Amino acid sequence: GAGVSQSPSNKVTEKGKDVELRCDPISGHTALYWYRQSLGQGLEFLIYFQGNSAPDKSGLPSDRFSAERTGGSVSTLTIQRTQQEDSAVYLCASSPSGGGAGSYNSPLHFGNGTRLTVT
Amino acid sequence: KQEVTQIPAALSVPEGENLVLNCSFTDSAIYNLQWFRQDPGKGLTSLLLIQSSQREQTSGRLNASLDKSSGRSTLYIAASQPGDSATYLCAVRGPNAGKSTFGDGTTLTVKP
Repeated sequence: GAGVSQSPSNKVTEKGKDVELRCDPISGHTALYWYRQSLGQGLEFLIYFQGNSAPDKSGLPSDRFSAERTGGSVSTLTIQRTQQEDSAVYLCASSPSGGGAGSYNSPLHFGNGTRLTVT
Repeated sequence: KQEVTQIPAALSVPEGENLVLNCSFTDSAIYNLQWFRQDPGKGLTSLLLIQSSQREQTSGRLNASLDKSSGRSTLYIAASQPGDSATYLCAVRGPNAGKSTFGDGTTLTVKP
């Protein structure tokens, strides 16, 4: 079946512009995650959605970052007034279950990411 | 706060060699541990998932073990091939909101 789809695959933007990154998770997956991977760095958690619960925004680095998930499916990560330090690969993952006992056998499935370059 | 460490950061081996990658974590209250590989410029591909109640999982030439009490996991790769060259990441999933914490990865190079 179809995996996690992210668009665009590459985005170059000028400093100060807003960008939107899209993630289409695997159908039926209730949990959706955004991570950021800067050059040569590990994965940094940004935000997590689970069903209709309030999202866990604890990883968002500043109030310029926001995300929404419409209808429990597609998610959009928005970065306002982009800065050069925002340049990174933004990875989206989905999982059949995001919390509780269902998480024991619930793997993460990642998309190929969006490479964002802020000039 | 969960912390995940992977040692070594980089490893280079000749083709055919068996090798072990290490992952350690500080909080043993986990739901599962997942190993991934990442090729340059690509996303993460899931290799193996071990539930907290399990000790090991096998897939082809890969075997992952988990010792939850000591906070350690190993990924064993048998008869390595140049196509195994990639960065290998481990991630532990905890009960706190279900999010996973990642190590920084081990970059493996298998030389023909």
